[in-house]
Formats: sequence, C-alpha cells, structure tokens
Amino acid sequence: EIVLTQSPGTLSLSPGERATLSCRASQSVSSSYLAWYQQKPGQAPRLLIYGASSRATGIPDRFSGSGSGTDFTLTISRLEPEDFAVYYCQQYGSSPITFGPGTKVDIK
Amino acid sequence: EVQLVESGGGLVQPGGSLRLSCAASGFTFSSYEMNWVRQAPGKGLEWVSYISSSGSTIYYADSVKGRFTISRDNAKNSLYLQMNSLRAEDTAVYYCARDHPNQLLLFDYWGQGTLVTVSS
Repeated sequence: EIVLTQSPGTLSLSPGERATLSCRASQSVSSSYLAWYQQKPGQAPRLLIYGASSRATGIPDRFSGSGSGTDFTLTISRLEPEDFAVYYCQQYGSSPITFGPGTKVDIK
Repeated sequence: EVQLVESGGGLVQPGGSLRLSCAASGFTFSSYEMNWVRQAPGKGLEWVSYISSSGSTIYYADSVKGRFTISRDNAKNSLYLQMNSLRAEDTAVYYCARDHPNQLLLFDYWGQGTLVTVSS
C-alpha cells in the first residue's frame, strides 16, 4: 500500500499570500495518478487537480499542481478568503487507492 | 447539474445493519462507475467500495470486505451500500462519489454525505 504524507499539517497564511502544500508518497505513484481535493467544514471534498497537474472543471487557475514519482506539490498562487480549507492528496494508480492525512490552510 | 444525495444513515448498535442509498441526477447514471468513500469524525478520507456502470465489477476495501455490499439500480438512478456486522470503527460520514469519466477511482463529484454512528 502506498502511504501518502502531507506537510505541513497546518499552514497559517493571510489572504493574498502564496500557499505551497506538499504530498510525499512511500513509493512512486504510477503515471502521476495523483489528485488533490479541497474540503471545507461540513462539506464534501471537491476535486481540484488530477494527473498531478490538470485542473478539474471549473477550478480557478490560481490552483496548480506539479511533481512526479514520489514528490508532489499543490500551489495556490494568491489565497482568496474561500480557499481556507483542508486539502487532501490521493493516489489512484495503485491498489488500494489511498489518501493523505490532509493539510489545513487557516487564516493567520 | 450533477447531484448526489445520500440517505439512510443513523445510530445503530454494534453488530447491527444499515442500508445507505444515493440518489443521482443531472447525468446519465448508467454510464458512470460509482463509489462509497467514508470519513470518520475529525479524520481523513477512506475509500470503501467501487461498482462499475453495469454492476458487473465490484471492489471493496479490506476493512469492509465480507461485511458490506455495494449495488446499484440504473433504472432508479440509485446506488446502495448494505452494511452488516457493523463495528464502532465504521462510524463515519459516508459519501457517494462518482468516478471521473476517464479515470478509475478518481472522484469528480461527491454527495453531501450521511452520518453512520455505531454505538451501544
């Protein structure tokens, strides 16, 4: 099973700042089958990025993903008030699929 | 607009059973693979089960294999999860999630979830 580790656990930033979130896999993620989801309190997760770097439908271009192999990054170029949430990475290239523990982005 | 609405959650005793439902609308349900994903209170996400568009292929997480059964009724645009022999560790919000059309086990739409609490 591929274990995903996300860092930092919590990121405290101000609106307008840049956020850089990391997801590290215990083994190489095949074909960059790595996704990022956003979850706000009391809401379902929302798909942001898939294939490591492709934005899902309707996702603003301030969200970008990069990386390959075992190291992946989600970048939010300028934080908007609605971006403060928990972000999860997920690998879907190997069975069983697994999620990371999440990074909380909160307001500084 | 894609909508997924779960129902059927509630409080159940350990060893009991519960059946969850997910009503789908806004897309051609019979053309999409579907999943259940759960989230224990204050915890992360855990994939539970997958069913192909026709229902002919099914997968389960090891943690629920032999206890949970996924099914679907394409005529009713509905997905189900029959949960038996429930344990305290099954307590979670259960989400119905649609597979991305081009990628297995990538979830492009989620319902709002239904809470299952297993406690005596």
